[in-house]
Amino acid sequence: GAVVSQHPSRVICKSGTSVKIECRSLDFQATTMFWYRQFPKQSLMLMATSNEGSKATYEQGVEKDKFLINHASLTLSTLTVTSAHPEDSSFYICSARDPGSGDNSPLHFGNGTRLTVT
Amino acid sequence: DQQVKQNSPSLSVQEGRISILNCDYTNSMFDYFLWYKKYPAEGPTFLISISSIKDKNEDGRFTVFLNKSAKHLSLHIVPSQPGDSAVYFCAASARSGYALNFGKGTSLLVTP
Repeated sequence: GAVVSQHPSRVICKSGTSVKIECRSLDFQATTMFWYRQFPKQSLMLMATSNEGSKATYEQGVEKDKFLINHASLTLSTLTVTSAHPEDSSFYICSARDPGSGDNSPLHFGNGTRLTVT
Repeated sequence: DQQVKQNSPSLSVQEGRISILNCDYTNSMFDYFLWYKKYPAEGPTFLISISSIKDKNEDGRFTVFLNKSAKHLSLHIVPSQPGDSAVYFCAASARSGYALNFGKGTSLLVTP
């Protein structure tokens, strides 16, 4: 079945540094990938939609200059948290849909990245 | 603005019995609904889905029911097994191929 791989699974960084998270579709090509964030005991909140070869679409309230998204190929999207602060500590998850599975195929998720900013 | 709501944060069920997880939504444009299962520190895993043209979809021990007039769906797991213990998220989208809106999840505990 469709597999989405996310790396790293866990990262601890100091305040003010930047962190890059990679999301790869392993056995399908994804023109669109979705980045979510989950705070403890909360739902998964969509941050942005990553579009291959064009600019990402950000949800309201998400700073595009802080959360840089690059979707340079059909199998790779990256999320860079720039100048991270403790309030950016969260669980970040990427997802993609296998277009070969039909219009109503489900989103497949990576295993997420636990970011802790100290 | 939470468009998908799971009002029960937790549920405990005895092994072998039926687990019923509920979900309500507010956006009448939603036409595709899914249930995901999630373990701690992992991404959600797709379980079962239903489109708005159906009112029931069954896959093994898992059945999803959709009541469009009530804007309500439910996931039935029968018989429940200890391995089913996880957080279950209800999700919905307004159009095929679009991002999903998630509820806050219901933590299911199946006891032996």
